[in-house]
Formats: sequence, C-alpha cells, structure tokens
Amino acid sequence: GENVEQHPSTLSVQEGDSAVIKCTYSDSASNYFPWYKQELGKRPQLIIDIRSNVGEKKDQRIAVTLNKTAKHFSLHITETQPEDSAVYFCAASLMNRDDKIIFGKGTRLHILP
Amino acid sequence: DVKVTQSSRYLVKRTGEKVFLECVQDMDHENMFWYRQDPGLGLRLIYFSYDVKMKEKGDIPEGYSVSREKKERFSLILESASTNQTSMYLCASRGGLAVYNEQFFGPGTRLTVL
Repeated sequence: GENVEQHPSTLSVQEGDSAVIKCTYSDSASNYFPWYKQELGKRPQLIIDIRSNVGEKKDQRIAVTLNKTAKHFSLHITETQPEDSAVYFCAASLMNRDDKIIFGKGTRLHILP
Repeated sequence: DVKVTQSSRYLVKRTGEKVFLECVQDMDHENMFWYRQDPGLGLRLIYFSYDVKMKEKGDIPEGYSVSREKKERFSLILESASTNQTSMYLCASRGGLAVYNEQFFGPGTRLTVL
C-alpha cells in the first residue's frame, strides 16, 4: 500500500523567510496530493492540492511542486507570517471508488518573530 | 458549507468500558473515515466506509469496530477501552465516485481512558 514520508518533523523559520516541507510517496499510481494545515486546537483543513497531471500550483504565498519521476512533492510558503504557525500534513491518494488518503506524519512549523 | 460534527469534544472513560464516538456529516458524502492523532505519529487511519453498511480496515483497526447504518452517520466503537487508546479521534468525510474531492474533518474528540 501507499506510504508517505514527510520531512522535517519540526521547522522554525524567521518571520518573512520562506519555509519548505518535503514529502515522498511510494505508490507510483497515486494521482492526488493534498496538503492540510492544522492550527493549534483546530481540525485539519485543506490549503492546497495538486493532481498528477500538473507539476506546480500556486495560491498567493503557498505553492506545491510535484516530481512524479522521483515520487516527491513539496510545499513552499513564502513571506511567512505568524499565522502560518501550525502543523502541516502532506498526503497522497489514488482516487477511485475505494479511496483513502494516506497522510504523512506532519511538520510542526514555528514562525519566529 | 460542509459540516462534520462529532458527539463530544472531550470524553473520560474507565478501562474496560464500551465507548461510542459518533460522527455526522450533512453533505451526503459517500466516504467517511476515523483517524486517531498522536504526537509524532500523525493521522493514522482506523477504519473507513465508502457506503452504508460497508466498512474497511485502516492501518490500526485492532481494538476498534465501526458502524454505518445511515449514510450521514459513522460510529467508532471501543469494545473494551484501554489506556493506550487515550488519544485525539478525528472523523472525516469526502464525496465519492468523483475524483479529487476535498476531505473534511470534524473537530475531534479527545478521549482519556483512566
């Protein structure tokens, strides 16, 4: 079955700098890669996703890149702000009827003042 | 606006008790999921269901069972609670039979087993 590895487990960046979180997946058939953000005490929420037919997607300060050959994908946050402090989960899925999303273990991002 | 609700935010039970965690979604989603979240271990899938009365084991089903009698409701059952089941439990739902549907999470139930 699918396995998703996420690095680093903890990341501290100065406010205004960029943050990068990297994930790898094992099942080459996976075709959907969402990223979830979980703020302290709240539920995980989707912030951006990418499909296997796209190499990069951007939404304001966040972007995701996908390298299907290497089976890895990354989340990039530019001009980080205090509200970016949270746990981020990457995930991979093969979207079919019996579909489940496999999550990485999460990255705790700290934005330092 | 999708809503996934869980019956309790906090629950304290004793070892050996039978525990029911309820999850309800209001968007007619086919797929529903139960995860547990522990520090450093991320979101681990316990069970999921892609239709009424259907269930599939996830990665850590031992000690748990589920029930899906109605499409909108997915229950997680701890037959005999143990201290190692102290955790945050998250329910989620997602529309099926269509690709790339967003998965929505409930607010979570923090269960403590004494």
